[in-house]
Amino acid sequence: GQNIDQPTEMTATEGAIVQINCTYQTSGFNGLFWYQQHAGEAPTFLSYNVLDGLEEKGRFSSFLSRSKGYSYLLLKELQMKDSASYLCAVYPYNAGNMLTFGGGTRLMVKP
Amino acid sequence: DGGITQSPKYLFRKEGQNVTLSCEQNLNHDAMYWYRQDPGQGLRLIYYSQIVNDFQKGDIAEGYSVSREKKESFPLTVTSAQKNPTAFYLCASSDRRRELFFGSGTQLSVL
Repeated sequence: GQNIDQPTEMTATEGAIVQINCTYQTSGFNGLFWYQQHAGEAPTFLSYNVLDGLEEKGRFSSFLSRSKGYSYLLLKELQMKDSASYLCAVYPYNAGNMLTFGGGTRLMVKP
Repeated sequence: DGGITQSPKYLFRKEGQNVTLSCEQNLNHDAMYWYRQDPGQGLRLIYYSQIVNDFQKGDIAEGYSVSREKKESFPLTVTSAQKNPTAFYLCASSDRRRELFFGSGTQLSVL
């Protein structure tokens, strides 16, 4: 199977740094995606990691370690608008074109 | 502008009624998907289609049906067999196992 696990909820303070973890059990996959979703809206693409290591894009960075079955999304200089759900997803090798999502992490940013 | 259009934004279903959610894309993507999202939950795959006139069941296909007669269109019918249809429905498309582009979603409720 391809279980993808994320914490259900996290809370952080405006201006701080938060790390959202994603662990997975899958026989193999092409790459790992992170999406942001505000309540009642469609998910929007944040990042895509194919190789191990850190990919930085402005205030957001994403890390992948295939050997450890682990990824994280790092959000710096948190803003109130960062309050949203963050979804981790992969294309497992044995699942054709089926992108499989974790349950998402609901992040609440407080003043 | 290229994108995915879902309609309607809100839909109400009476008991025993079939309803159809529309999804149209002009991104020239081969693959299209339907996901269901319950409050505070992640995305669960209902059906997906990799090419015209072909589609596969996802994790929760029971009570739903789809068609893919045109590359641009992938309508989802929620049948009377789906006993708990209240949810947020998201349509998406992608090109060759790349990032998904999502429509704005349809909130379906039962009267």
